[in-house]
Amino acid sequence: EPEVTQTPSHQVTQMGQEVILRCVPISNHLYFYWYRQILGQKVEFLVSFYNNEISEKSEIFDDQFSVERPDGSNFTLKIRSTKLEDSAMYFCASSVGTTYYEQYFGPGTRLTVT
Amino acid sequence: KQEVTQIPAALSVPEGENLVLNCSFTDSAIYNLQWFRQDPGKGLTSLLLIQSSQREQTSGRLNASLDKSSGRSTLYIAASQPGDSATYLCAVRATYKYIFGTGTRLKVLA
Repeated sequence: EPEVTQTPSHQVTQMGQEVILRCVPISNHLYFYWYRQILGQKVEFLVSFYNNEISEKSEIFDDQFSVERPDGSNFTLKIRSTKLEDSAMYFCASSVGTTYYEQYFGPGTRLTVT
Repeated sequence: KQEVTQIPAALSVPEGENLVLNCSFTDSAIYNLQWFRQDPGKGLTSLLLIQSSQREQTSGRLNASLDKSSGRSTLYIAASQPGDSATYLCAVRATYKYIFGTGTRLKVLA
């Protein structure tokens, strides 16, 4: 069964460094998403992406964040200058369509900023 | 602004009990609602997806219901097992995004 994959599973970085989290969505899916979950808190939406454009973003998704689909298979989340409060589990998701379609989630990347 | 609440926050039951987890949302204009399971430090496992036009969905020992007008969903787990111990999350979809609840942490005692 097709699944969303994410790499790395765990990334440790120093404050102020740039990180890129990578996701490979399910191959025939057209809509892509990033969510994050700070330890002990709710899963929070960051951004949705369709047709090479951001379709919706949350207040969390400020200028420090960017997303890209650099080729036909990868979907990336870049954090330009990491802060301690960026430490969280980051989940990528994809769906074949919008609104009524199920989003399929990847296993997550745990980001630790020291 | 849509808010999703799950009650109780934590639940501990003996093995074999039937149990109900609750999810409520403030805006009934949703496209669908999904229940997930999350094991400690792990990802999200999809359990059931209910479209806004549906009243319930079943998968094995799990049954989820949706009452959109009252802003409520329940997840019923029959004959609970220790392997069911996890955090259960509900999420509603109103636009592109899911809005998640805080979860119910379930422990099933052997």
